Amino acid sequence: GAVVSQHPSWVICKSGTSVKIECRSLDFQATTMFWYRQFPKQSLMLMATSNEGSKATYEQGVEKDKFLINHASLTLSTLTVTSAHPEDSSFYICSARDTGTTVGYTFGSGTRLTVV
Amino acid sequence: DAKTTQPNSMESNEEEPVHLPCNHSTISGTDYIHWYRQLPSQGPEYVIHGLTSNVNNRMASLAIAEDRKSSTLILHRATLRDAAVYYCILRDYNAGNMLTFGGGTRLMVKP
Repeated sequence: GAVVSQHPSWVICKSGTSVKIECRSLDFQATTMFWYRQFPKQSLMLMATSNEGSKATYEQGVEKDKFLINHASLTLSTLTVTSAHPEDSSFYICSARDTGTTVGYTFGSGTRLTVV
Repeated sequence: DAKTTQPNSMESNEEEPVHLPCNHSTISGTDYIHWYRQLPSQGPEYVIHGLTSNVNNRMASLAIAEDRKSSTLILHRATLRDAAVYYCILRDYNAGNMLTFGGGTRLMVKP
């Protein structure tokens, strides 16, 4: 079945530094990937839609200059949290769909970001 | 996407069937009903989806009301590994590809 690999699974960084999270579709091509954020005991909130070869589409209230998304190939999207602050600490999850099947969306295992 | 309403939490005994309800009274004709579940500290996992007819797969069954204003996810024999948050999501295939998550139902399975 469709597999989405997300790396790293957890990261701790100092306030003011940047962190890059990778999302790869392992056995299918994904022209579109999605980035979500989840705070403790809350549901997933869509941050942005990543489009291969073009600019990402950000949801209202998400700062595009802070959360940089790059989707340079059909199997890789990256999310860079720039100048991270403690309030950016969260669980970040990517998702993609193998349009060649009728199965639903596949999600990465998530990245737990802690900013200290 | 149209809104869904689910109970915040439910309890079940191990090896008993579980019926997880979802109300979606404003569903449109082009909305598919998706179910995902999220185990602790993991990304969501696809469970099942349907449009009008009931659906079965190896994980669960999806029963859809005739008027499509509600649906029920059925786990035939709950195991401890089924303890998770279950999300019922409507996806309009004519209006973009993203999934919008609601609050979900936290299922607790007792041994």
